[in-house]
Amino acid sequence: GQQVMQIPQYQHVQEGEDFTTYCNSSTTLSNIQWYKQRPGGHPVFLIQLVKSGEVKKQKRLTFQFGEAKKNSSLHITATQTTDVGTYFCAEEYGNKLVFGAGTILRVKS
Amino acid sequence: DTGVSQDPRHKITKRGQNVTFRCDPISEHNRLYWYRQTLGQGPEFLTYFQNEAQLEKSRLLSDRFSAERPKGSFSTLEIQRTEQGDSAMYLCASSETGTENSPLHFGNGTRLTVT
Repeated sequence: GQQVMQIPQYQHVQEGEDFTTYCNSSTTLSNIQWYKQRPGGHPVFLIQLVKSGEVKKQKRLTFQFGEAKKNSSLHITATQTTDVGTYFCAEEYGNKLVFGAGTILRVKS
Repeated sequence: DTGVSQDPRHKITKRGQNVTFRCDPISEHNRLYWYRQTLGQGPEFLTYFQNEAQLEKSRLLSDRFSAERPKGSFSTLEIQRTEQGDSAMYLCASSETGTENSPLHFGNGTRLTVT
């Protein structure tokens, strides 16, 4: 079935540095959702993007949906230790969400 | 809103035994999903209910797996004759209907270890 590809698989940053994870699909997406999973926790919904070229912000997090609706990105400005976790993008395929493999973020304080 | 609850949190079983997990979704949510997650991977879709109707099952779901949602509220996932490859986190999620592209609300999961 469909699957979105996420890069990088893993990133280790110094606290205060920026972080970006990318989500790519070979097909046009109807929408994309982003989730965060803390170590030992469960995925928690962050945001949904629907429109071509859409940009949404949540404090230090900026989410973008590509013009062709085939890719998306999540950018964190000035990372903090509370940002650690795995960030997943997920595409809607039929009546279910199909998740990418995620990007693990570690933050050195 | 008490969130999605799953029971048990952890289950250790011997190969060949049967196990059953329970999920209680958010009360007003009609859709219920089961996912499986292994280390370093994203959640992998297993099956989906709308009310009591099981509408989709993954091809990955062997005949040893069965899920029910008899009254359209809580759901159970049973794995018969467990194998070591079944070891994983089993996540339940629920979402609203009538709202396009509703986000999923996940429970804390049941971690299964098959020895």
